[in-house]
Amino acid sequence: GESVGLHLPTLSVQEGDNSIINCAYSNSASDYFIWYKQESGKGPQFIIDIRSNMDKRQGQRVTVLLNKTVKHLSLQIAATQPGDSAVYFCAENLAEGYSTLTFGKGTMLLVSP
Amino acid sequence: KAGVTQTPRYLIKTRGQQVTLSCSPISGHRSVSWYQQTPGQGLQFLFEYFSETQRNKGNFPGRFSGRQFSNSRSEMNVSTLELGDSALYLCASSLTQPGQGAGEQFFGPGTRLTVL
Repeated sequence: GESVGLHLPTLSVQEGDNSIINCAYSNSASDYFIWYKQESGKGPQFIIDIRSNMDKRQGQRVTVLLNKTVKHLSLQIAATQPGDSAVYFCAENLAEGYSTLTFGKGTMLLVSP
Repeated sequence: KAGVTQTPRYLIKTRGQQVTLSCSPISGHRSVSWYQQTPGQGLQFLFEYFSETQRNKGNFPGRFSGRQFSNSRSEMNVSTLELGDSALYLCASSLTQPGQGAGEQFFGPGTRLTVL
């Protein structure tokens, strides 16, 4: 496959560990946030989203935390598996009525068996 | 239900040529957005369309253009290609409509454009 990014921050974990991926977003007016997973050679895949009126949302094995005070978003993956290895992006949307997403630079997650 | 499809998947062009990329959204999705992904700049927004109307445009030169058809399929065109246009071009579709705010966007696999 082809790499989606060079010189990305990398998080290396062991299978079964919990992973936490962090993201600082840019605009205090953003009201919707999404985490995407991108595997080599594929398009971004939706993981979980959260709106600005919430500070936590849980999915299957994943939790997103939003701290609007410091413009910080985190993705927690429980019991990380080798199949979770990918590049993870956070994205934000401004409350302007458009669907436009502004993406972070991404973090590469490497899971060792 | 079929996902977002993009054609072609790979394309090689030379400087000065033009290229047209195609995107078919998920059935029922009328909102289509395009993004450019490069190692240096990451994912950057190009255009957003809804019901054949361009609703928003990113900070790209006029060589980048797009359109949406009545069946919601979309195309983007890049004229007078430059080496720096080499990138993965991604299309995303969603159910959201103007004024509803953003919602889940589904991405296609992308078109890998290489400019020589």
